[in-house]
Amino acid sequence: AQTVTQSQPEMSVQEAETVTLSCTYDTSENNYYLFWYKQPPSRQMILVIRQEAYKQQNATENRFSVNFQKAAKSFSLKISDSQLGDTAMYFCAFMTPNTGNQFYFGTGTSLTVIP
Amino acid sequence: EAGVAQSPRYKIIEKRQSVAFWCNPISGHATLYWYQQILGQGPKLLIQFQNNGVVDDSQLPKDRFSAERLKGVDSTLKIQPAKLEDSAVYLCASTHTGQGGTGELFFGEGSRLTVL
Repeated sequence: AQTVTQSQPEMSVQEAETVTLSCTYDTSENNYYLFWYKQPPSRQMILVIRQEAYKQQNATENRFSVNFQKAAKSFSLKISDSQLGDTAMYFCAFMTPNTGNQFYFGTGTSLTVIP
Repeated sequence: EAGVAQSPRYKIIEKRQSVAFWCNPISGHATLYWYQQILGQGPKLLIQFQNNGVVDDSQLPKDRFSAERLKGVDSTLKIQPAKLEDSAVYLCASTHTGQGGTGELFFGEGSRLTVL
């Protein structure tokens, strides 16, 4: 079964601090992409960061970075220097191109940045 | 580049009425998805199209939901008759699956449905 587990329904962080959101997944596919999406309150879902499973190097995008542990099927998101605009729901997801580009989403982590 | 367009943004109907949502994906994106997102939850796939063919509609409640993408471009999702539990945001998304595609899923702003 293809599943994504986000075990932290809610998290909070002080402004300017660092926070890590956890994600584990399960798939029998060897070729897949991993994503973190951000959904601010009542706003559009947008991509934060992506990682190809065949790449060992962890992806980074400015203040956002991932810790990709393929053997453990873990894909955590680290947000450094948290800003008020980072307050949002964060969804972990993966996509399997060899099975029709199907996407699998976690249940989300609600992150609140406290001023 | 224009993003994924959805309309209407908001719709309020009474139970047993019908409603239709429209989506126009990013130009050139062959794969189109409709998701249902209930407040506080993750997106749930309703149907996935590849061009004008259905890839996956296993979670679409076919007794009341229907969707089409006749020309392989824009798509319509219909609910008839609506139930209270259909209150949700309906998200349309698309992705480029050909050479040069990044695998990224692009979302529209969503259509928020309230069933009274």
